[in-house]
Amino acid sequence: GAGVSQTPSNKVTEKGKYVELRCDPISGHTALYWYRQSLGQGPEFLIYFQGTGAADDSGLPNDRFFAVRPEGSVSTLKIQRTERGDSAVYLCASSFGANNEQFFGPGTRLTVL
Amino acid sequence: GENVEQHPSTLSVQEGDSAVIKCTYSDSASNYFPWYKQELGKRPQLIIDIRSNVGEKKDQRIAVTLNKTAKHFSLHITETQPEDSAVYFCAASRRGPFCYGNNRLAFGKGNQVVVIP
Repeated sequence: GAGVSQTPSNKVTEKGKYVELRCDPISGHTALYWYRQSLGQGPEFLIYFQGTGAADDSGLPNDRFFAVRPEGSVSTLKIQRTERGDSAVYLCASSFGANNEQFFGPGTRLTVL
Repeated sequence: GENVEQHPSTLSVQEGDSAVIKCTYSDSASNYFPWYKQELGKRPQLIIDIRSNVGEKKDQRIAVTLNKTAKHFSLHITETQPEDSAVYFCAASRRGPFCYGNNRLAFGKGNQVVVIP
Protein backbone atom coordinates (compact mmCIF):
# COMPACT_ATOMS: atom_id res chain seq x y z
CA GLY A 1 0.00 0.00 0.00
CA ALA A 2 0.95 3.64 -0.20
CA GLY A 3 3.29 5.05 2.37
CA VAL A 4 3.23 8.44 4.04
CA SER A 5 3.24 11.20 1.47
CA GLN A 6 4.06 14.89 1.85
CA THR A 7 3.50 17.84 -0.40
CA PRO A 8 5.13 19.87 -1.68
CA SER A 9 8.49 18.13 -1.83
CA ASN A 10 10.22 21.50 -2.00
CA LYS A 11 9.02 24.94 -1.01
CA VAL A 12 10.95 28.15 -1.48
CA THR A 13 9.48 31.25 0.08
CA GLU A 14 10.49 34.70 1.11
CA LYS A 15 11.00 35.87 4.65
CA GLY A 16 7.73 36.98 6.19
CA LYS A 17 5.48 34.82 4.01
CA TYR A 18 3.00 32.17 5.12
CA VAL A 19 3.41 28.52 4.17
CA GLU A 20 1.41 25.32 4.51
CA LEU A 21 2.92 21.87 4.43
CA ARG A 22 0.71 18.83 3.94
CA CYS A 23 1.02 15.28 5.23
CA ASP A 24 -1.02 12.28 4.09
CA PRO A 25 -0.49 9.46 6.58
CA ILE A 26 -0.91 5.78 5.89
CA SER A 27 -4.60 4.96 5.79
CA GLY A 28 -5.89 3.89 9.18
CA HIS A 29 -2.97 5.28 11.17
CA THR A 30 -4.33 7.14 14.15
CA ALA A 31 -1.08 8.67 15.40
CA LEU A 32 0.64 11.40 13.40
CA TYR A 33 3.88 13.22 14.24
CA TRP A 34 5.65 16.22 12.76
CA TYR A 35 9.42 16.55 13.05
CA ARG A 36 11.88 19.09 11.74
CA GLN A 37 15.32 18.11 10.49
CA SER A 38 18.00 20.72 10.05
CA LEU A 39 21.12 20.02 8.00
CA GLY A 40 23.42 17.57 9.74
CA GLN A 41 20.99 16.99 12.62
CA GLY A 42 18.51 14.36 13.66
CA PRO A 43 14.77 14.95 13.41
CA GLU A 44 13.40 17.16 16.15
CA PHE A 45 9.88 16.59 17.48
CA LEU A 46 7.30 19.31 16.83
CA ILE A 47 3.79 17.99 17.47
CA TYR A 48 1.84 14.77 17.95
CA PHE A 49 -1.77 14.08 16.95
CA GLN A 50 -3.90 11.22 18.19
CA GLY A 51 -6.91 11.28 15.91
CA THR A 52 -8.02 14.87 15.39
CA GLY A 53 -6.54 16.34 18.53
CA ALA A 54 -3.05 17.67 19.13
CA ALA A 55 -2.10 15.58 22.15
CA ASP A 56 1.37 17.15 22.47
CA ASP A 57 2.42 20.41 20.82
CA SER A 58 5.30 21.11 23.18
CA GLY A 59 7.86 20.86 20.38
CA LEU A 60 6.51 23.77 18.35
CA PRO A 61 9.22 26.45 18.56
CA ASN A 62 6.88 29.45 18.87
CA ASP A 63 3.39 30.67 18.08
CA ARG A 64 4.18 31.16 14.40
CA PHE A 65 3.85 27.41 14.03
CA PHE A 66 0.48 25.69 14.06
CA ALA A 67 -0.81 22.34 12.85
CA VAL A 68 -4.24 20.83 12.28
CA ARG A 69 -5.71 17.44 11.53
CA PRO A 70 -9.45 18.16 11.21
CA GLU A 71 -10.66 14.74 10.10
CA GLY A 72 -8.07 12.58 11.79
CA SER A 73 -6.22 11.80 8.58
CA VAL A 74 -4.46 14.52 6.55
CA SER A 75 -2.51 17.06 8.58
CA THR A 76 -1.31 20.52 7.66
CA LEU A 77 1.59 22.31 9.30
CA LYS A 78 1.24 26.06 9.03
CA ILE A 79 4.03 28.56 9.49
CA GLN A 80 3.32 32.27 9.66
CA ARG A 81 5.80 35.10 9.05
CA THR A 82 8.52 32.69 8.01
CA GLU A 83 12.10 33.38 9.06
CA ARG A 84 15.37 32.18 7.54
CA GLY A 85 15.88 29.99 10.58
CA ASP A 86 12.77 28.01 9.65
CA SER A 87 14.63 26.53 6.68
CA ALA A 88 14.79 22.77 7.18
CA VAL A 89 13.25 19.50 6.07
CA TYR A 90 9.86 18.98 7.70
CA LEU A 91 9.10 15.31 8.20
CA CYS A 92 5.80 13.71 8.96
CA ALA A 93 5.42 10.23 10.45
CA SER A 94 2.41 8.08 11.20
CA SER A 95 1.77 4.90 13.14
CA PHE A 96 -1.13 2.56 13.81
CA GLY A 97 -1.59 3.45 17.42
CA ALA A 98 1.15 5.15 19.36
CA ASN A 99 2.88 1.91 20.31
CA ASN A 100 3.85 0.86 16.84
CA GLU A 101 6.54 1.72 14.31
CA GLN A 102 6.54 5.25 13.00
CA PHE A 103 6.66 5.40 9.21
CA PHE A 104 8.17 8.56 7.84
CA GLY A 105 7.24 10.54 4.78
CA PRO A 106 9.82 11.87 2.32
CA GLY A 107 9.71 15.32 3.88
CA THR A 108 9.19 18.84 2.60
CA ARG A 109 12.34 20.87 2.14
CA LEU A 110 11.51 24.44 3.14
CA THR A 111 13.85 27.22 2.13
CA VAL A 112 13.21 30.73 3.39
CA LEU A 113 15.13 33.37 1.46
CA GLY B 1 13.50 16.39 28.23
CA GLU B 2 15.35 13.45 26.76
CA ASN B 3 18.85 14.07 25.37
CA VAL B 4 20.32 11.49 23.00
CA GLU B 5 23.93 11.58 21.89
CA GLN B 6 25.67 9.52 19.21
CA HIS B 7 29.32 8.67 18.72
CA PRO B 8 31.28 8.72 16.46
CA SER B 9 29.83 11.23 14.01
CA THR B 10 31.49 9.55 11.05
CA LEU B 11 32.60 5.97 10.69
CA SER B 12 34.47 4.45 7.76
CA VAL B 13 34.81 0.68 7.49
CA GLN B 14 36.14 -1.74 4.94
CA GLU B 15 33.55 -3.86 3.22
CA GLY B 16 33.06 -7.05 5.18
CA ASP B 17 34.16 -5.55 8.49
CA SER B 18 31.85 -4.72 11.38
CA ALA B 19 30.54 -1.30 12.34
CA VAL B 20 29.45 -0.27 15.82
CA ILE B 21 27.61 2.94 16.69
CA LYS B 22 26.96 3.89 20.28
CA CYS B 23 24.26 6.14 21.72
CA THR B 24 23.67 7.45 25.20
CA TYR B 25 20.42 8.80 26.62
CA SER B 26 19.59 10.86 29.67
CA ASP B 27 16.01 10.00 30.65
CA SER B 28 15.89 6.86 32.78
CA ALA B 29 12.16 6.58 31.99
CA SER B 30 12.85 6.00 28.28
CA ASN B 31 11.93 2.45 27.37
CA TYR B 32 11.95 2.24 23.60
CA PHE B 33 15.04 2.62 21.41
CA PRO B 34 14.72 2.47 17.61
CA TRP B 35 17.42 2.85 15.00
CA TYR B 36 16.69 4.56 11.69
CA LYS B 37 18.69 4.48 8.47
CA GLN B 38 18.55 7.51 6.20
CA GLU B 39 20.08 7.52 2.75
CA LEU B 40 20.90 10.83 1.14
CA GLY B 41 17.75 12.73 0.26
CA LYS B 42 15.46 9.97 1.45
CA ARG B 43 13.17 9.37 4.38
CA PRO B 44 14.35 7.72 7.62
CA GLN B 45 13.51 4.02 7.74
CA LEU B 46 13.36 1.85 10.83
CA ILE B 47 15.92 -0.94 10.73
CA ILE B 48 15.71 -2.35 14.25
CA ASP B 49 14.34 -1.41 17.65
CA ILE B 50 14.61 -2.63 21.22
CA ARG B 51 12.53 -2.23 24.34
CA SER B 52 13.93 -1.78 27.81
CA ASN B 53 12.90 -5.24 28.99
CA VAL B 54 15.32 -6.81 26.51
CA GLY B 55 19.11 -6.58 26.53
CA GLU B 56 19.83 -7.59 22.96
CA LYS B 57 18.01 -8.08 19.69
CA LYS B 58 19.30 -9.39 16.40
CA ASP B 59 17.99 -9.35 12.83
CA GLN B 60 20.31 -10.96 10.30
CA ARG B 61 23.42 -8.72 10.06
CA ILE B 62 22.06 -6.10 12.43
CA ALA B 63 21.95 -6.24 16.21
CA VAL B 64 21.21 -3.79 18.98
CA THR B 65 22.34 -4.04 22.60
CA LEU B 66 20.99 -2.06 25.53
CA ASN B 67 22.60 -1.27 28.88
CA LYS B 68 19.93 0.37 31.03
CA THR B 69 22.25 0.91 33.97
CA ALA B 70 24.72 2.89 31.91
CA LYS B 71 21.96 4.36 29.73
CA HIS B 72 23.52 3.47 26.46
CA PHE B 73 22.63 1.32 23.48
CA SER B 74 24.59 0.30 20.43
CA LEU B 75 23.97 -0.73 16.84
CA HIS B 76 26.15 -3.49 15.43
CA ILE B 77 26.36 -4.17 11.71
CA THR B 78 28.35 -7.23 10.68
CA GLU B 79 29.71 -8.14 7.24
CA THR B 80 29.15 -4.58 6.03
CA GLN B 81 28.21 -4.01 2.42
CA PRO B 82 28.34 -0.86 0.26
CA GLU B 83 24.56 -0.51 0.54
CA ASP B 84 24.97 -0.09 4.29
CA SER B 85 26.48 3.34 3.61
CA ALA B 86 24.04 5.88 5.05
CA VAL B 87 23.34 8.06 8.07
CA TYR B 88 22.11 6.10 11.07
CA PHE B 89 20.02 7.75 13.78
CA CYS B 90 19.31 6.37 17.20
CA ALA B 91 16.30 7.56 19.13
CA ALA B 92 14.61 7.10 22.48
CA SER B 93 11.10 7.49 23.79
CA ARG B 94 8.80 6.70 26.69
CA ARG B 95 6.48 4.26 25.07
CA GLY B 96 3.38 3.71 27.20
CA PRO B 97 1.51 0.44 27.53
CA PHE B 98 -1.55 1.76 25.78
CA CYS B 99 -2.31 2.30 22.15
CA TYR B 100 -3.02 5.99 22.56
CA GLY B 101 0.05 7.11 24.45
CA ASN B 102 2.61 9.56 23.10
CA ASN B 103 5.61 7.94 21.44
CA ARG B 104 7.48 11.12 20.52
CA LEU B 105 11.01 10.24 19.54
CA ALA B 106 14.14 12.10 20.66
CA PHE B 107 16.84 11.57 18.02
CA GLY B 108 20.58 11.75 18.14
CA LYS B 109 22.49 13.80 15.57
CA GLY B 110 23.25 10.80 13.40
CA ASN B 111 26.30 8.84 12.31
CA GLN B 112 27.55 8.84 8.75
CA VAL B 113 28.68 5.30 7.96
CA VAL B 114 30.85 4.84 4.87
CA VAL B 115 31.56 1.32 3.67
CA ILE B 116 34.66 1.24 1.50
CA PRO B 117 34.52 -1.43 -1.21
